Amino acid sequence: DAGVIQSPRHEVTEMGQEVTLRCKPISGHNSLFWYRQTMMRGLELLIYFNNNVPIDDSGMPEDRFSAKMPNASFSTLKIQPSEPRDSAVYFCASSWQGANYGYTFGSGTRLTVV
Amino acid sequence: GDSVTQMEGPVTLSEEAFLTINCTYTATGYPSLFWYVQYPGEGLQLLLKATKADDKGSNKGFEATYRKETTSFHLEKGSVQVSDSAVYFCALCCRDYQLIWGAGTKLIIKP
Repeated sequence: DAGVIQSPRHEVTEMGQEVTLRCKPISGHNSLFWYRQTMMRGLELLIYFNNNVPIDDSGMPEDRFSAKMPNASFSTLKIQPSEPRDSAVYFCASSWQGANYGYTFGSGTRLTVV
Repeated sequence: GDSVTQMEGPVTLSEEAFLTINCTYTATGYPSLFWYVQYPGEGLQLLLKATKADDKGSNKGFEATYRKETTSFHLEKGSVQVSDSAVYFCALCCRDYQLIWGAGTKLIIKP
C-alpha cells in the first residue's frame, strides 16, 4: 500500500494567488481529514469527510478555504486568495470509520505564502 | 470535555538512556489511546495503541500501558537512540469521529 499521498510536497506562492493541495487516501478508507500544523497553534482539524461527504467543516478558518472530495480516492483543499498567515504544513489523513483505529497521515504539504 | 495532557518538552537525553514521556487523559468511558511520532519534515505515524484498560501497546522498542486507575498512557523505551529524536503525540479517540491530541513532546537524543 502506498499510503496517503499528498501533492505537492512544497508550495511557495505569492499573496493573493490560489493554492490547491491534493490528497489521495488509502484505498478502502472511508474517512478523510485535513489538518493544518503550525508552531503557534499545533495541529488543527480543518475538515472531515465520511464516505466523500463533508461532515464537519467548522475548523475551516474562513471562506477563503474550501475542500472537496469528488470521489473516494481524491480530495482537494483550496485557498483563494492566499495570505501569508496561511503558511503552514497541511496534512491529509485517512482512516476506516472515523478514528477508532487511528489515522494514517500523508507526508504533508509545506505551504509558504510570501 | 475530553482532553489529553502531555509533559512539556523538549526532553533531552543521552543515547542509551531510559525514556518516559508522560501522558494523562480526561474522558468519559474507556477511550482508545494512541501514540504518534513525527520525525523532522514528515507526517505523523502511528507508533502504538491500546484499546482497553491494562492493554500494553508496543512497537520499535517503545511501550505504553493503558492505566485506567491513573488515567495515564505513558510512553517508555529502555534504551533510546539518536534516531528516536522526534516529536511524540499522545491522543485519544474520540470526540465524535476525531482524535483528541496532546500538544506534543519534542525528544532530543544526544550521541
